[in-house]
Amino acid sequence: GQQVMQIPQYQHVQEGEDFTTYCNSSTTLSNIQWYKQRPGGHPVFLIQLVKSGEVKKQKRLTFQFGEAKKNSSLHITATQTTDVGTYFCGSGNTGKLIFGQGTTLQVKP
Amino acid sequence: DVKVTQSSRYLVKRTGEKVFLECVQDMDHENMFWYRQDPGLGLRLIYFSYDVKMKEKGDIPEGYSVSREKKERFSLILESASTNQTSMYLCASIRAGGTYTFGSGTRLTVV
Repeated sequence: GQQVMQIPQYQHVQEGEDFTTYCNSSTTLSNIQWYKQRPGGHPVFLIQLVKSGEVKKQKRLTFQFGEAKKNSSLHITATQTTDVGTYFCGSGNTGKLIFGQGTTLQVKP
Repeated sequence: DVKVTQSSRYLVKRTGEKVFLECVQDMDHENMFWYRQDPGLGLRLIYFSYDVKMKEKGDIPEGYSVSREKKERFSLILESASTNQTSMYLCASIRAGGTYTFGSGTRLTVV
């Protein structure tokens, strides 16, 4: 079945540094969704990408969907301590999402 | 805003007990899901339901069952809890556009 691989599993950065997490699939994805889970919290929807090559921005967050629709990335510019948490990508065709393993971001002040 | 409510934030149960995890959503959504979350393994789908009395197995259904008698309520049942079912359980509901709203989660410990 469809699998979504996400790397890295963990990332520690100094506040102000940039951060990127990647999702990859061996099959073409119909869409990609990104979620953020704060420590002790639950995943919260950030954004959805559906078009090949699509790029969307939310303040310091930039989301990309690959041209072949087999990969996606989330890039955070100049991280802040409020960015800590686990970021998940997910994809699905029939409403059922398959998630990547998540990337846990730690930000040192 | 859609609200997905899980009845318990923390549960401690004994091995062999029958455990019910309840999830209620307030937006008349057809689709509801149960995931478990474990470190390094991400979110893994246990069961999902597209409508009342309908259920489909996810990737890891063994040891679990579900019940959807009313549209707003989706229950996850551990018939005989085991220690390897100690985990965070997350319920989700799909809103328009196919994006998930998750409940706050139930952290289950089986001793």
